[in-house]
Amino acid sequence: SQQGEEDPQALSIQEGENATMNCSYKTSINNLQWYRQNSGRGLVHLILIRSNEREKHSGRLRVTLDTSKKSSSLLITASRAADTASYFCATGIIQGAQKLVFGQGTRLTINP
Amino acid sequence: DTAVSQTPKYLVTQMGNDKSIKCEQNLGHDTMYWYKQDSKKFLKIMFSYNNKELIINETVPNRFSPKSPDKAHLNLHINSLELGDSAVYFCASSSLSARDEQFFGPGTRLTVL
Repeated sequence: SQQGEEDPQALSIQEGENATMNCSYKTSINNLQWYRQNSGRGLVHLILIRSNEREKHSGRLRVTLDTSKKSSSLLITASRAADTASYFCATGIIQGAQKLVFGQGTRLTINP
Repeated sequence: DTAVSQTPKYLVTQMGNDKSIKCEQNLGHDTMYWYKQDSKKFLKIMFSYNNKELIINETVPNRFSPKSPDKAHLNLHINSLELGDSAVYFCASSSLSARDEQFFGPGTRLTVL
């Protein structure tokens, strides 16, 4: 079964507003990562937060991790039309190699 | 230069055929992966190879066989294709020592008719 559940499944906001996406997972993790996928393209890594971290920033991105609730959130501030994409959380689990288990994604649309 | 490349980008074939998808990475990574993304956008790992050795093998039909001729390549061969195999297949690579982000290829859209 899928490890991650993302909420909402789709989000539509106006350019300049902030977008928040949430992710919940089920098992212990080594880290949690967020990826972006533009339509018809591969996934691009955005940010990684380790299991012993609570918050991380990268440019307009802010990620939080609450291991007690097994949840994470991705905040994109001052959204732009180019941010329109699907966003996936992925939990990193070590099984020999690092295995990424993905959520079903949030489709984000930024309206100009 | 493309870091992780896949060929072909699109593959349309008849049920029952055998086909291969090729993946190459020029990042010097030692670990490579195959993922399958279905029509609902669920992305699920299929295989992982480290230094040409299989280390992750999810519950995937025997018709799927990964082949790693060297560290930079991980090809996916599929026998007796079925309608349910239609999906987008992504190759990825990472550095085992870093256990960090994975770099994804652009994907191969497989359509089985």
